[in-house]
Amino acid sequence: EAEVAQSPRYKITEKSQAVAFWCDPISGHATLYWYRQILGQGPELLVQFQDESVVDDSQLPKDRFSAERLKGVDSTLKIQPAELGDSAMYLCASSLARQGVHEQYFGPGTRLTVT
Amino acid sequence: AQKITQTQPGMFVQEKEAVTLDCTYDTSDPSYGLFWYKQPSSGEMIFLIYQGSYDQQNATEGRYSLNFQKARKSANLVISASQLGDSAMYFCAMRDIYSGGGADGLTFGKGTHLIIQP
Repeated sequence: EAEVAQSPRYKITEKSQAVAFWCDPISGHATLYWYRQILGQGPELLVQFQDESVVDDSQLPKDRFSAERLKGVDSTLKIQPAELGDSAMYLCASSLARQGVHEQYFGPGTRLTVT
Repeated sequence: AQKITQTQPGMFVQEKEAVTLDCTYDTSDPSYGLFWYKQPSSGEMIFLIYQGSYDQQNATEGRYSLNFQKARKSANLVISASQLGDSAMYFCAMRDIYSGGGADGLTFGKGTHLIIQP
C-alpha cells in the first residue's frame, strides 16, 4: 500500500541552528500539507501546496520557516533559526485532489527537539 | 473560521465495552466534512471515518460509527467492542469540502486520550 514518506523520523538540534524536513507524498497526489503538532495538542496547518504552488501559508511563521515543492512532487520544510518553541511533531499529508471528498493520508512525522 | 471542540481529555474504558468520544464543531461553511483520526504512540495519524455535511445517513466503518447530529453540530465517534489496541489519541477534524479555490487544510480538536483496560 502506498504511503507518505518523511525523513528524518527524529531530529535533535540546538537553538539558532537550521533544520530541514523532507516529505514524499503518495504518487499522483497533487495536494500536499505540512502540519505542526505541539505535544498535547491537535495538528495545525502550516502550509498547503497544490502541485508546486502554495495555496495557503497563512499560519507559516515566515520569518523563520520556509517550504518548497519545486517539481510538484516531494517537499522540504525548513526552519532557520530554530527556537525552543519549535519543538513539536511535523506531519506531512497528501491528498489526491483539493476539492471534494478526498481523504488526507499522513506520514509518520518528524519529531523535532530543540535544545 | 472553523472550530472543533473535544471536551474529554482522557477516558478509561473496559475491554469489550462500547465507547463514545465527543466532538462538537462550529463553521459557517455550508459544505463540510468531518473526520476522525487515531494517533497511536508511534505518532502516525490513521484515518478512521468520514461524514459529509449533506450525508443523510450516519457513517460506519467496521467497529467505528459516527453519530452525526447536524442541528446540534455534533459528530461523536462510537467504537463498539473496544480492544486493547484501540488505546491511542483520537482526533476529530473538519474541513471545507468545496472551498472555491481556497485552502482546505484540516482543523483539529485537542484530542481525547483513550485507554482500554483489560
